[in-house]
Amino acid sequence: NAGVTQTPKFRVLKTGQSMTLLCAQDMNHEYMYWYRQDPGMGLRLIHYSVGEGTTAKGEVPDGYNVSRLKKQNFLLGLESAAPSQTSVYFCASSFYTGELFFGEGSRLTVL
Amino acid sequence: SQELEQSPQSLIVQEGKNLTINCTSSKTLYGLYWYKQKYGEGLIFLMMLQKGGEEKSHEKITAKLDEKKQQSSLHITASQPSHAGIYLCGAVAGGTGNQFYFGTGTSLTVIP
Repeated sequence: NAGVTQTPKFRVLKTGQSMTLLCAQDMNHEYMYWYRQDPGMGLRLIHYSVGEGTTAKGEVPDGYNVSRLKKQNFLLGLESAAPSQTSVYFCASSFYTGELFFGEGSRLTVL
Repeated sequence: SQELEQSPQSLIVQEGKNLTINCTSSKTLYGLYWYKQKYGEGLIFLMMLQKGGEEKSHEKITAKLDEKKQQSSLHITASQPSHAGIYLCGAVAGGTGNQFYFGTGTSLTVIP
């Protein structure tokens, strides 16, 4: 049972490049979340989804887009990466809000 | 937005000592969750508190939610190096009830 899997785990981008982070869960969870974690700022919610085909903005959505075409996958896209988006990104899923299951994180550096 | 403030920001204790981490909300909490993050890894769920005055324990970790449901504490008894990591409190935002927010975290170091 893989749980929540994030790919890639590490990525280095140049300013202006685009990329997509993939989150996959095999627990049949309805809710999925994308967070970013920066030193001294805890985890901040970027976007979330409460079911297949739905997405909603979180606390810091600017510069990111998401899609949830399949229940088990939640994609986070950066159309034009900026150095301010250098961070560790975490995906999480849950049956309901509260007990979240997390992936191991994706470390993104934008030069 | 829901704001959760944690204190202290960091903590260094000698193995065997007790410690407490606090989480305070500006709004009434409808559920307060504690997570632990080992350095460089994802978060692991510890426990959930929902009722005012509720207290839960797991091994040497005890969490409490005050009667007003605006403050929670996490207490570790006889700390061990395995307790080291970042502890975060989390809660569901009011309104839609779908957004899950975290506090800023408390970094715990346990010196053998």
